[in-house]
Amino acid sequence: EDKVVQSPLSLVVHEGDTVTLNCSYEVTNFRSLLWYKQEKKAPTFLFMLTSSGIEKKSGRLSSILDKKELFSILNITATQTGDSAVYLCAVAPGTGANSKLTFGKGITLSVRP
Amino acid sequence: NAGVTQTPKFRVLKTGQSMTLLCAQDMNHEYMYWYRQDPGMGLRLIHYSVGEGTTAKGEVPDGYNVSRLKKQNFLLGLESAAPSQTSVYFCASSYVPNTEAFFGQGTRLTVV
Repeated sequence: EDKVVQSPLSLVVHEGDTVTLNCSYEVTNFRSLLWYKQEKKAPTFLFMLTSSGIEKKSGRLSSILDKKELFSILNITATQTGDSAVYLCAVAPGTGANSKLTFGKGITLSVRP
Repeated sequence: NAGVTQTPKFRVLKTGQSMTLLCAQDMNHEYMYWYRQDPGMGLRLIHYSVGEGTTAKGEVPDGYNVSRLKKQNFLLGLESAAPSQTSVYFCASSYVPNTEAFFGQGTRLTVV
């Protein structure tokens, strides 16, 4: 059974801090790993990672994948209160049409002014 | 550009009642998904569809049925609601499987 474990489950930081969110996984025939940000409502897509060691970056957010050790990290530098959200990690197995995402439980990030 | 639209946004049901949640997408996506999200449980896949006229079971399908009669719509039905089905339900769609999926705004369902 595919498995995604995110850590820590929650954390509280102050504006300006840098945070690292972790996602480890076990999946048959890995295809990709995705990060989403969920504020009050719908999850919104952040990154999709398919290759080890290649950093994806968007503003203050960056993410990298290690396919040997089976984990990914999401870094947020110079955090702002608007970064407060639940961050979801998901993995996609295989290449068939019926392959489907398995989500972790999410990491709740609170950024205090 | 509407994206993925879910109706209704909120609903309260009595135990045993039935209802249908509607998901509509205007991006011509083949793949559509229904998830439920509960505190501490993340997103769990209920049912999904890989194209018009097809459906398949996900991780937690019991108590739910789905239909995909038109490519743009994916319906989730509860035949006899139970308190354990109190949750937030999200619909999502994607162009190809397991790449960037676009989510609806969610439906908060309470079964009393």
